[in-house]
Amino acid sequence: GQNIDQPTEMTATEGAIVQINCTYQTSGFNGLFWYQQHAGEAPTFLSYNVLDGLEEKGRFSSFLSRSKGYSYLLLKELQMKDSASYLCAVVDSNYQLIWGAGTKLIIKP
Amino acid sequence: IAGITQAPTSQILAAGRRMTLRCTQDMRHNAMYWYRQDLGLGLRLIHYSNTAGTTGKGEVPDGYSVSRANTDDFPLTLASAVPSQTSVYFCASSEGRGNTGELFFGEGSRLTVL
Repeated sequence: GQNIDQPTEMTATEGAIVQINCTYQTSGFNGLFWYQQHAGEAPTFLSYNVLDGLEEKGRFSSFLSRSKGYSYLLLKELQMKDSASYLCAVVDSNYQLIWGAGTKLIIKP
Repeated sequence: IAGITQAPTSQILAAGRRMTLRCTQDMRHNAMYWYRQDLGLGLRLIHYSNTAGTTGKGEVPDGYSVSRANTDDFPLTLASAVPSQTSVYFCASSEGRGNTGELFFGEGSRLTVL
């Protein structure tokens, strides 16, 4: 079966750096997304990786290793507003989008 | 403000009742999707439409139906609601098909079936 694994919950301190990991086992690979979802709100797009390597976008970076079936989202200079769930999703060989259950990130002052 | 509008935002209904969740987008996107989100589970696709006039089944289509009469509207109907359909429902759209583009989500419809 197809599977996306993310930690259920993580805690970090304001101003620090946190890395949220995502591992996947899917039938093929056509890209990986990260979305942010604040409690009670809609998911919003953060990043899309289709090639190996690191993509940086401001305080947020996303890394992909296709050979390892692994991605991470790196958040720097954490702010209280970064408290949210972070969803990893993989596009498989049939161009179906497979979602992880999400990682709830709690930021403490 | 451009985007996706869902209605209602919240609803409680009795089991066995019929319910339609409305979704309208003004971005002229070709593809639209309905997802449900339950605690501890990833988003699960119910139905999708790659273009007006066509629809397809997702991962969990049973008990739900959709229509796509035009580009902007994509309603989701529960013919006879059951308690297991209690969930948060998100409508989404994307410019192209194939799930390689950014998804734009509505604010969600929280449905409770008693």
